[in-house]
Amino acid sequence: GENVEQHPSTLSVQEGDSAVIKCTYSDSASNYFPWYKQELGKRPQLIIDIRSNVGEKKDQRIAVTLNKTAKHFSLHITETQPEDSAVYFCAASNTGSGNTGKLIFGQGTTLQVKP
Amino acid sequence: DSGVTQTPKHLITATGQRVTLRCSPRSGDLSVYWYQQSLDQGLQFLIQYYNGEERAKGNILERFSAQQFPDLHSELNLSSLELGDSALYFCASSPGQGAYGYTFGSGTRLTVV
Repeated sequence: GENVEQHPSTLSVQEGDSAVIKCTYSDSASNYFPWYKQELGKRPQLIIDIRSNVGEKKDQRIAVTLNKTAKHFSLHITETQPEDSAVYFCAASNTGSGNTGKLIFGQGTTLQVKP
Repeated sequence: DSGVTQTPKHLITATGQRVTLRCSPRSGDLSVYWYQQSLDQGLQFLIQYYNGEERAKGNILERFSAQQFPDLHSELNLSSLELGDSALYFCASSPGQGAYGYTFGSGTRLTVV
């Protein structure tokens, strides 16, 4: 069935360092890959997304890369700050004609940025 | 404020009981989604409604049911509650049938005692 594997489950970095979170998806028809940030007790918030016709997308300190052949996508955060500390979730969806808005989520990565 | 409104924010109830969670989507959005977030399970898709009709179903238990009303708000009904049903239940909405433009509500924390 559809599955998204996310690694690592926890990640601790020093302020200013980079953080990388990796996800692998099983459904080759997936074509939309959003990343969400969830602070404790709060709702997941979209931070960046990428569609399958693009290999890389960047938004200030955040970037996402996609390798369709390997069915693998990654989140890169540069110059990390303490406020980046949160749980990050990757997700995958097939948004093609006749398909739905169902998102399959990874298990989450708890990122801790130490001052 | 995301524009997606969920009530109540917290709910404590006993095993065997039935509860109803309510969600109002962001203005203009036609799809409503329900997700369950348990401590060790991440975000699990339950069900999607689009413009009043069921569009997709995930691993939703038979004890759970949902509907979307003509004004597009949605309700998730959980019955014969068990301790393991304790979780955060999130509603999300999007403009169309696909996953673009997803916005989550603040969630309902359900505690079954």
